[in-house]
Amino acid sequence: LAKTTQPISMDSYEGQEVNITCSHNNIATNDYITWYQQFPSQGPRFIIQGYKTKVTNEVASLFIPADRKSSTLSLPRVSLSDTAVYYCLVGVLSSGGKLIFGQGTELSVKP
Amino acid sequence: EAQVTQNPRYLITVTGKKLTVTCSQNMNHEYMSWYRQDPGLGLRQIYYSMNVEVTDKGDVPEGYKVSRKEKRNFPLILESPSPNQTSLYFCASSFVGSPLHFGNGTRLTVT
Repeated sequence: LAKTTQPISMDSYEGQEVNITCSHNNIATNDYITWYQQFPSQGPRFIIQGYKTKVTNEVASLFIPADRKSSTLSLPRVSLSDTAVYYCLVGVLSSGGKLIFGQGTELSVKP
Repeated sequence: EAQVTQNPRYLITVTGKKLTVTCSQNMNHEYMSWYRQDPGLGLRQIYYSMNVEVTDKGDVPEGYKVSRKEKRNFPLILESPSPNQTSLYFCASSFVGSPLHFGNGTRLTVT
């Protein structure tokens, strides 16, 4: 079961690019990497999912190196509304449904 | 609208009084799961279900029960709640291997 490690917190300013890296050394061959965003007192919300190389959507990019032991969520030009907790999650197929979320990264965006 | 619905949103109860938190999804997802979230501890999985009549323990199952008699419903049962089960609870569902859809949460206080 792949466990993840992320920085506990990060600070940024509006307009900057933010990169949050997640370490998952024992990722299984069939595992996907998924990132979620959570605002206070709300359920986490899906941001992006990938298996290898690079994935981009309208809100973020996900970079995954060839060994897949880490991944980096990139948020371009953050705004105050991007202040939230970001979780990296690895699993589902290999774990049979058991999921372990890390503690998440609390991103604070300042004006 | 595709959604995961939890009820109630807020619940205050006393030690030992059995309670049920309901979770329903309208997306025909096979996979459903429950999480609790406590300050500094992130999201911890309580139970999960890969399909109807199939349930299994997550990371913190003690003191909880679940059932999956129908595909759309996955209630969380606390037979004898204790104060250490005071927490914010989330239900989530997905197709296996796809991103999770979370409910809006249930804030439970046990006195």
